[in-house]
Amino acid sequence: ETGVTQSPTHLIKTRGQQVTLRCSSQSGHNTVSWYQQALGQGPQFIFQYYREEENGRGNFPPRFSGLQFPNYSSELNVNALELDDSALYLCASSLAAMGPSGNEQFFGPGTRLTVL
Amino acid sequence: GEDVEQSLFLSVREGDSSVINCTYTDSSSTYLYWYKQEPGAGLQLLTYIFSNMDMKQDQRLTVLLNKKDKHLSLRIADTQTGDSAIYFCAGDNQAGTALIFGKGTTLSVSS
Repeated sequence: ETGVTQSPTHLIKTRGQQVTLRCSSQSGHNTVSWYQQALGQGPQFIFQYYREEENGRGNFPPRFSGLQFPNYSSELNVNALELDDSALYLCASSLAAMGPSGNEQFFGPGTRLTVL
Repeated sequence: GEDVEQSLFLSVREGDSSVINCTYTDSSSTYLYWYKQEPGAGLQLLTYIFSNMDMKQDQRLTVLLNKKDKHLSLRIADTQTGDSAIYFCAGDNQAGTALIFGKGTTLSVSS
């Protein structure tokens, strides 16, 4: 069983540019969530996708958008990058069916984005 | 919205017990979680507790939940140097779509 993978590991962009981050869900998972973790902070929920539809969104502006594909892999797109977008971006996959283990989310290692 | 508070640092000696505390404002979470993050890594789920329980034990880990005081704690018995990491408590939101995290507690274990 493969875990959650993310690419790239690191990248550097300049203010105003656009970026796409990618995530492959754990095998069998149909739900993916994205989180932003600024330095010294806890992860903040950006949005969740379930079966290719947005299923919940945190307090992030529309320039943060996402996609989920039929194979349940996902992308996070950020337009018009700002310096404050510098953070670790974490992807987490889960099964929508809760079950006794709850909304257990399995996290990938993250993509470190630096905006200059 | 939900707010989750944690103490920022904890330092213990190898072999001692560690207790990491967390308070939260929203009692509507169905589950409460503890995650571990090692340097340069993602989050690893350590354990979770259903909101109608007050204690859960899982090997060296004991979770205590006081719903009245909205207080959650994680006790690590026989703490090892490999336990050094940042520990996050989190609750799920009302819709069950997101985790609300605290800022994390850095645990430092000295030998």
